[in-house]
Amino acid sequence: DAGVIQSPRHEVTEMGQEVTLRCKPISGHDYLFWYRQTMMRGLELLIYFNNNVPIDDSGMPEDRFSAKMPNASFSTLKIQPSEPRDSAVYFCASSPGPRAGGQETQYFGPGTRLLVL
Amino acid sequence: QKEVEQNSGPLSVPEGAIASLNCTYSDRGSQSFFWYRQYSGKSPELIMFIYSNGDKEDGRFTAQLNKASQYVSLLIRDSQPSDSATYLCAVNQGSNYKLTFGKGTLLTVNP
Repeated sequence: DAGVIQSPRHEVTEMGQEVTLRCKPISGHDYLFWYRQTMMRGLELLIYFNNNVPIDDSGMPEDRFSAKMPNASFSTLKIQPSEPRDSAVYFCASSPGPRAGGQETQYFGPGTRLLVL
Repeated sequence: QKEVEQNSGPLSVPEGAIASLNCTYSDRGSQSFFWYRQYSGKSPELIMFIYSNGDKEDGRFTAQLNKASQYVSLLIRDSQPSDSATYLCAVNQGSNYKLTFGKGTLLTVNP
């Protein structure tokens, strides 16, 4: 398996622009997670999905952030409008969930490095 | 607020020594515990997970869990320069599939 795939790998944009990050989870994984990582705050969970349904979005910082999972093989995280404080590395991760015997292991994608000027 | 605390380091050990990485967590109901390794500029990758009190060994790595003390540790025997990375502790409360991560400990293994 190719692992979790994210695109783009790097994104530089100007404040106020819309940013869309994309993720393809590992085939057969039922859970998909979006994280943000910064030096100050570490790795923070933004939202996660189970079988394409958002389960917990309590980590989404504000209404400028939205996430969708239209099917089992694709998810997006959108920031509109973007602000300099959104600059971070955004990771997508997937997990097989209970079908794998209850193991909650998460497998991370390579991340998208976002810089908002 | 459910927290996971780690010493940020850096922890510096000589090659061949044992590196000991520690983690404490606040939620007494936590049920599963994970150690991830993250090289600079890369994504976290799973090293080990542990569910039960005691020790779990995998090659040069040993995870130790003490639920009464709310403490989990990772020992790396015969440390190698390639072990130099940030080690993230993650905790799952068991009621869902969310992981709460610590901020990580930077380990440097000196040749």
